[in-house]
Amino acid sequence: SQQGEEDPQALSIQEGENATMNCSYKTSINNLQWYRQNSGRGLVHLILIRSNEREKHSGRLRVTLDTSKKSSSLLITASRAADTASYFCATVPSGSARQLTFGSGTQLTVLP
Amino acid sequence: EPEVTQTPSHQVTQMGQEVILRCVPISNHLYFYWYRQILGQKVEFLVSFYNNEISEKSEIFDDQFSVERPDGSNFTLKIRSTKLEDSAMYFCASSESAAFTGELFFGEGSRLTVL
Repeated sequence: SQQGEEDPQALSIQEGENATMNCSYKTSINNLQWYRQNSGRGLVHLILIRSNEREKHSGRLRVTLDTSKKSSSLLITASRAADTASYFCATVPSGSARQLTFGSGTQLTVLP
Repeated sequence: EPEVTQTPSHQVTQMGQEVILRCVPISNHLYFYWYRQILGQKVEFLVSFYNNEISEKSEIFDDQFSVERPDGSNFTLKIRSTKLEDSAMYFCASSESAAFTGELFFGEGSRLTVL
């Protein structure tokens, strides 16, 4: 079974539009994190939402978490060309304290 | 801003050779990690390290792999006898606390190409 599967695999939008990416996972979690990766670069932490939280905001980012459905969404509002990157959700499976499990990612392309 | 640094950025090696990838974590962080990403695939956990010992390791982290913190700043990943399938981007990460409580800070990665 796969932990942390993003949907869609690829998303292409125009600058100024909103981008929504979804993540599903299978096991109980302590928290869920979203990371961004520019092509060929390292991962950059965007936002962390704890299992007892339902929604969190950070700048143009909004993350929701539904533990009953084991799903999360990342919304980027008013997208910019510079937001073009891969976005990954990552979870810590139950029973593991330090092992982040990454999803397969959504490749977001924002067209100018 | 403090950052995790990794060297080399790219290494090409012959199959069967030993490789050491180096990382300097953020200085006040206590937890250190190695992840890898085969081209076009997911980022995969290899190992976590705390208090000078391995905390967790994945199935990927077999006897060919080892980690070491030889001094107060460096954190290394050694692959004893590289295989073609070890070709990947290797990311070092560090955190102040265990992953379930906080974020990981990643380096830019070391690309390993095994010929």
